[in-house]
This record gives sequence, structure tokens and C-alpha cells, in this order.
Amino acid sequence: DGGITQSPKYLFRKEGQNVTLSCEQNLNHDAMYWYRQDPGQGLRLIYYSQIVNDFQKGDIAEGYSVSREKKESFPLTVTSAQKNPTAFYLCASSLAAFRSEAFFGQGTRLTVV
Amino acid sequence: SQQGEEDPQALSIQEGENATMNCSYKTSINNLQWYRQNSGRGLVHLILIRSNEREKHSGRLRVTLDTSKKSSSLLITASRAADTASYFCATDSSGNTGKLIFGQGTTLQVKP
Repeated sequence: DGGITQSPKYLFRKEGQNVTLSCEQNLNHDAMYWYRQDPGQGLRLIYYSQIVNDFQKGDIAEGYSVSREKKESFPLTVTSAQKNPTAFYLCASSLAAFRSEAFFGQGTRLTVV
Repeated sequence: SQQGEEDPQALSIQEGENATMNCSYKTSINNLQWYRQNSGRGLVHLILIRSNEREKHSGRLRVTLDTSKKSSSLLITASRAADTASYFCATDSSGNTGKLIFGQGTTLQVKP
């Protein structure tokens, strides 16, 4: 089945720790994205990548880092510099950056304990 | 920066009724998309309408776009309890950034 997979579904982080959220797609899409969603809110763009080995900051990149070493994978690291990391994180991919339908993963809910 | 903003924020209707949600945006766009999100899940794409289109249909969904008013509407006809979800519009600015910006969503409850 073609799709986009995020893992884990739930993640707990202690204060001061870095954690990495996984996102894999087998849709052969060039573009991949990470969004953050807070309760009752819309999605805010953290980082996006239009092609392998290239990525750009979104609107709320501070405290996050990404890599795009493979077309299929776009992991997001939430660093200790992110002061309020508790949120729902959504990964998505599309054929062309921002110009076509985006396919979303099922999300990772990150909680700081 | 907020591009698309949905109205109303919440909508409660009876099964069988129609549901209309509106989206307003600020800058010129290439296209506007509507997505659906069930609670605690990822988003699912519903419809994409391009800036040179005025209306689009998909099953029980009807989307209109008025670029002069910078607004779009999503109509769900003959609603079902399974339509209960949050609905988001997303716009890609035709400006330099070109990023897909999501609104805050309309939460729709369809009562059986």
C-alpha cells in the first residue's frame, strides 16, 4: 500500500532531551513537510523539503531540525531549545511543493513530562 | 502568518441537513484546498480548486471560489454523522513564499 507513515504515534520526552520523529513515504513524492498542530488550532509549518538534500525553514522552525538524505524519509528532531514542544506533529508529502494535493501521516503526539 | 481563516469556528447540524463552511484569505493564490481531519488523526485531502476555477464538485461536496472577494466555501449536502470532523482550507500564495498555509478550521458536528 502506498502511503506516508509516522512513528511513533505517542512520544514522551523529558525536559532537556532531544527526540526524533520519523516520517517515511513510498509515494515517490519530491516534497515533504512537517507541521505542528496545537489544540483547537490550525497547522503551522515547521520545515519543508522540495527535493532530496535540501530543506527550508517554515514559520516556526526555531528549536527543530530536519534532514532529507533519502527521498523517502524526512525525520524531525525536536531539540531541547524548543521551549513548548507538547503538540501534535503531522508529516505530509506531495508531488510538487505546495502546488498539489498533500498526503498526511497519522501524526505523532509529543508530550513533555 | 494566517492566510486562510474559516468561518464559522464550530457548526452543529442534524443529519440530512446541508453544512456550509467559509474560508477567507488575504493574498493572491494559485490554488485553494480543503482538507478534513477526524479527531486525533491526520488530514485527508478533499478538493483542490485552482484560481481560474469558480466551482468544483466531488460527490456530496461542492466548493466555490471567488477570487475577487478572496473567499471560498465548502458545502456538504445531505450530511451524515460520519461527516463529523474538522475542516480546513489551505491556500498557497502566488507570492514569493508559495507556502501552503492552513486556516484554523471549522469543527462540524452532525447529530444523528
